[in-house]
Amino acid sequence: GQQVMQIPQYQHVQEGEDFTTYCNSSTTLSNIQWYKQRPGGHPVFLIQLVKSGEVKKQKRLTFQFGEAKKNSSLHITATQTTDVGTYFCAATNYGQNFVFGPGTRLSVLP
Amino acid sequence: KAGVTQTPRYLIKTRGQQVTLSCSPISGHRSVSWYQQTPGQGLQFLFEYFSETQRNKGNFPGRFSGRQFSNSRSEMNVSTLELGDSALYLCASSLDAGGPTGELFFGEGSRLTVL
Repeated sequence: GQQVMQIPQYQHVQEGEDFTTYCNSSTTLSNIQWYKQRPGGHPVFLIQLVKSGEVKKQKRLTFQFGEAKKNSSLHITATQTTDVGTYFCAATNYGQNFVFGPGTRLSVLP
Repeated sequence: KAGVTQTPRYLIKTRGQQVTLSCSPISGHRSVSWYQQTPGQGLQFLFEYFSETQRNKGNFPGRFSGRQFSNSRSEMNVSTLELGDSALYLCASSLDAGGPTGELFFGEGSRLTVL
């Protein structure tokens, strides 16, 4: 079955530093989504990527979908304490269920 | 617009018992998915219902079952509970999970503890 991997598992950064998490799938995807889960909370949708090579930005967050549609990345510029949480990618292939990656837990030290 | 509502929020059961969890999706959403979240396994897909039909199913034993009603509300049931079933069970609704409008809206979850 489809497998989704994320690295790193944990990331500790100083406030103001950049952060990147990578998501890799064993199969070609139709679309990929990113979610953020704050400690004690539930996953909240951030973005969906559909096109090969697509790049989308949301303020300090930049999302990229690989050319082969098998990998994606989320980059946060100048992290803030409000960025703390676990970032999940969720991958799907044409109507199949979303498979979530294990997540990257981000801690931001003030 | 009301969000996804899950009940109960917390529950404690003992091994061998069964449990039923409920999920009311966002109005207009016809797809409801269920996920099990544990520290060691992350978010594991249980099943997805669309218009009262199970459209996708994850790799969980038959003790885990679900259904969806005509008003899109969904329930999941776990029978013969085991200690390893302790987890946060998350329900997510969507206009069309997996499709171009497939953003998942998660509820707060039902935290199940099995003693």
